[in-house]
Amino acid sequence: QKEVEQDPGPLSVPEGAIVSLNCTYSNSAFQYFMWYRQYSRKGPELLMYTYSSGNKEDGRFTAQVDKSSKYISLFIRDSQPSDSATYLCAMSAVTGGGNKLTFGTGTQLKVEL
Amino acid sequence: SAVISQKPSRDICQRGTSLTIQCQVDSQVTMMFWYRQQPGQSLTLIATANQGSEATYESGFVIDKFPISRPNLTFSTLTVSNMSPEDSSIYLCSVVVGSTTDTQYFGPGTRLTVL
Repeated sequence: QKEVEQDPGPLSVPEGAIVSLNCTYSNSAFQYFMWYRQYSRKGPELLMYTYSSGNKEDGRFTAQVDKSSKYISLFIRDSQPSDSATYLCAMSAVTGGGNKLTFGTGTQLKVEL
Repeated sequence: SAVISQKPSRDICQRGTSLTIQCQVDSQVTMMFWYRQQPGQSLTLIATANQGSEATYESGFVIDKFPISRPNLTFSTLTVSNMSPEDSSIYLCSVVVGSTTDTQYFGPGTRLTVL
């Protein structure tokens, strides 16, 4: 079993839809949770950063963390064609060896006109 | 944040040769990381490169295959040695900006194809 599971998609939605992207994880030591957006042929771009459980909102994006269920989500409201990209979840634990990131495989999102 | 550039952006190489990838940052950073991203797979950490010390390699990656240099706080190189088609991948460097090692910013990547 992978430490982080993420549905690879592709996920296709109409413009204006609410998008829900999810990851599950198995390591209960994970404390920091991130979402990256990666456009084709580009490096990952940090989108959201959350510590421990709870919600965080930034414009059209909301990140949720449910540590009891080991489940994180990214919601995109009023999705736009420019949101079409691959979304990667990442997480890390507080360890003495440094906070290494463990990534999901990414979900490919396409927002259609 | 930080502005990160990588060279080359892409390359096609022959089996058995080596390629050195450069990573340049616009500010001084302590921690730099090298990742590999293969199709359909998650980003995999190759090694951590801190200035002034030897790189720390993850399980499955060795220095002879992926030697790393970190001569100063704004620059690093990763060499992919004695390449085989299995090394075809995107190679990314990332840096830590901020007080924790969780806020990592990535370069644009180097797309490597080995024939």
